[in-house]
Amino acid sequence: QKEVEQNSGPLSVPEGAIASLNCTYSDRVSQSFFWYRQYSGKSPELIMSIYSNGDKEDGRFTAQLNKASQYVSLLIRDSQPSDSATYLCAVRSGGSYIPTFGRGTSLIVHP
Amino acid sequence: DAGVIQSPRHEVTEMGQEVTLRCKPISGHNSLFWYRQTMMRGLELLIYFNNNVPIDDSGMPEDRFSAKMPNASFSTLKIQPSEPRDSAVYFCASSLPGDYNSPLHFGNGTRLTVT
Repeated sequence: QKEVEQNSGPLSVPEGAIASLNCTYSDRVSQSFFWYRQYSGKSPELIMSIYSNGDKEDGRFTAQLNKASQYVSLLIRDSQPSDSATYLCAVRSGGSYIPTFGRGTSLIVHP
Repeated sequence: DAGVIQSPRHEVTEMGQEVTLRCKPISGHNSLFWYRQTMMRGLELLIYFNNNVPIDDSGMPEDRFSAKMPNASFSTLKIQPSEPRDSAVYFCASSLPGDYNSPLHFGNGTRLTVT
């Protein structure tokens, strides 16, 4: 059974700090990785996708993928209170078009 | 692009009643997913359609749940009869077919309350 694990948190960081969110997955043939942000009472919103080992940067967000260690992380630089949300990791494996979602990590950025 | 459109946004019904949730995917997105989200279980896949055909319905809880996709621009999820334990937020999502790198785009969801 494919599993995607995330620490439920909450992860609390001060405004301006770097928030680091981690996700591990069990299926070695996983090939597509997505980070979603979900505000309370709202739907998941795509932040980043990454497919190759290494880092991918988009503004204040950096996704890091390490397929050998089977983890993907999301770094948020200069964290803002508006970043406070639940962050969902999703993994899509080769052979299955259905992504597996983690339970999400709750992030709180306090002023 | 209008995004994925779901209706209604909120539904309150009594136990035993029929509930129909509706979804219009993004144009050209021939892969459609229905999810249910609760605090206890997180985001659960109910059913996945590709080109209007149900491919994986292993997440459908029981016979009370049914889903259809009569054409590329419309899908329904029906619960009959509804029960209090069906109370959750139901999301519809769509993506491009056959592209593993294509992310899912979610609708705003339907918050269902069964009393």
